[in-house]
Order: sequence, then structure tokens, then C-alpha cells
Amino acid sequence: QVQLQESGPGLVKPAQTLSVTCKVSGVFISSGGYFWSWIRQHPDKGLEWIADIYYNGTRKYNPSLKSRLTIDVDTADNQVSLIVKSVTAADTAMYYCASQVRGVFASWGRGTQVIVSS
Amino acid sequence: DIQMTQSPSSLSASVGDTVTITCRASQAISNSLAWYQQKPGRAPRLLLYGASRLGNGVPSRFRGSGTGTEYTLTISSLQFEDFATYFCQQYSDSLSWTFGQGTTVDIK
Repeated sequence: QVQLQESGPGLVKPAQTLSVTCKVSGVFISSGGYFWSWIRQHPDKGLEWIADIYYNGTRKYNPSLKSRLTIDVDTADNQVSLIVKSVTAADTAMYYCASQVRGVFASWGRGTQVIVSS
Repeated sequence: DIQMTQSPSSLSASVGDTVTITCRASQAISNSLAWYQQKPGRAPRLLLYGASRLGNGVPSRFRGSGTGTEYTLTISSLQFEDFATYFCQQYSDSLSWTFGQGTTVDIK
């Protein structure tokens, strides 16, 4: 059973870089079979897909965010990371990690809250 | 991007009721539609995919249907634990997965 645990800084200042990490357990990322995704939920409760990565480094980004994003996978530590550059208040959200198969988000972590504020 | 529009945005119901939520896509999505349930303070949970296929451990009172651009989630014999927010999501456009804005089902 896939389990995901996100972690992050909690509070980030505007214009700085946000970094969040997702520790995966119950399955080895290197085994394949799943994409690993980041999704965020804004304070108004709307859900927004951010990015996907496969164990071999295949990446996909939300076109509206792509210029500020980097998603990476660490198969040795079995974790996935996301970097968002030049953050603004609009990046304030709960950030979720999820396992994904053909676009369906099957398992989700509990999320890590990120607030962008000076 | 394919836009997903849910209706209603909220509804009130009683235990035992049958409720229906609609999700409309801005273009045809060939049944590439998933539904998620989210309870306060919790992550979303996959309910259905392929428009009508139940996720693991999901009770059969949850039923999905639809075609083309219009899809529905029906919850029969509403249980107390079903009061939650429901989101649809399309995965037809592999360049960008998108969600509906959510429908909150609360107790009448």
C-alpha cells in the first residue's frame, strides 16, 4: 500500500524559493508503475495540478506554472521533491503529493501547508 | 486546458437521501473522468475513475455515469460519513490534468 508523507517550510517570504518533499513508502519509486504528482489546494479549496515525474526522470509541468517549477525524484531515498521559484501570495496553498496512474490520482499524502507572507 | 464545471456548488441533504452532482467539461473527455471525496482536514480520496469504475474499497452506493462532456456522481442512501466535498477531474488532456471547483454536501 502506497503511503506518502509531505514536508515543507510552512512559511515562505514573497519572491523566495519554496521547496517541498514527499517521502514515499510501501513501494519503491524505482519499480515504476506510478507517476508521482504534486497537487495544491488553494484557500478557496480549488485543486490545481502542478507537476508529475516518473522514476526515469520523465517530467510534466502545468503550463501555467512551468517557468517557476522543478520536480525531481530521488530513488535512493525514495522521495520526490518540488521547487517553486519567485513565490507570491498566490502560491499559498496545501501542497499534496499523490501517486498517479494514467492521470488518476490513486493515493494522496496528508499535505503540507505553505503560506507565502512577509 | 479543459475546464471542468461542477453543479451545484453546494447542496443540503438528509441521511437516506439520494443526491446527484454534475460535472461538465469544456470539451469531450471520453469518460476520462475521476471523482474524489474530501472531508475537512483530510486529503482527497479517489472514489471513481473511468467515469463509472469504483476505486478500492468504495461502497456501491456511489455511482458514476455520463458521456461526452457531461458526467454525474450519484450517491444513494446517503450515509453520515458521505457529508463531504466532491471534486471531479479530467484526465483526457495529458498535457494538463484539471479539476472541478467542488461540490459540498452538508446536512440539511
